[in-house]
Amino acid sequence: DTGVSQNPRHKITKRGQNVTFRCDPISEHNRLYWYRQTLGQGPEFLTYFQNEAQLEKSRLLSDRFSAERPKGSFSTLEIQRTEQGDSAMYLCASSPGTSGGIYNEQFFGPGTRLTVL
Amino acid sequence: KNEVEQSPQNLTAQEGEFITINCSYSVGISALHWLQQHPGGGIVSLFMLSSGKKKHGRLIATINIQEKHSSLHITASHPRDSAVYICAFLRHQGGSEKLVFGKGTKLTVNP
Repeated sequence: DTGVSQNPRHKITKRGQNVTFRCDPISEHNRLYWYRQTLGQGPEFLTYFQNEAQLEKSRLLSDRFSAERPKGSFSTLEIQRTEQGDSAMYLCASSPGTSGGIYNEQFFGPGTRLTVL
Repeated sequence: KNEVEQSPQNLTAQEGEFITINCSYSVGISALHWLQQHPGGGIVSLFMLSSGKKKHGRLIATINIQEKHSSLHITASHPRDSAVYICAFLRHQGGSEKLVFGKGTKLTVNP
């Protein structure tokens, strides 16, 4: 399977614990995005990487959230001291970026569903 | 106010019916995306369009950039079309980019 993969698919944790999610983008996609989706809502942007550089971080992300993309390949999203309000689906997407000024679509992973008890 | 508004929020149809989902946006954009999300979370891109109309199988998407409005149509709907349909546009800002999404329209097609 050469699509975007995310692990784990489901995570249940107790409030106050730390969790880490991983995203493996499509090979050679230099752009990687994290989004969060709560029940009944559309996804909301969290952060964006171009290669290994984190170019934008949403104000939705408190200082408990950190994302990395070492070497511009896979990415991790860590949440420290989880709160019940962090319960959501965390989606990762990748894109080859623009080609000749034409935007290329984003390809989404299956998501990681986080439940904080 | 959301920059992307979809209607209806929920839609129930009988198999075979013609479906229309609407999307309005409040900012100038270069292209609009329609995406499909099945239970379980996975999102699949259906269309990206910047003008006119695109067709893929039983799905048709139209856009009027000047009126800031797009529609997704499903002809001869089938229960397997049951999903959440989301429209989104790409925002470029200061070297960054991101999709800005509507809340989605939950479609249920009954046999």
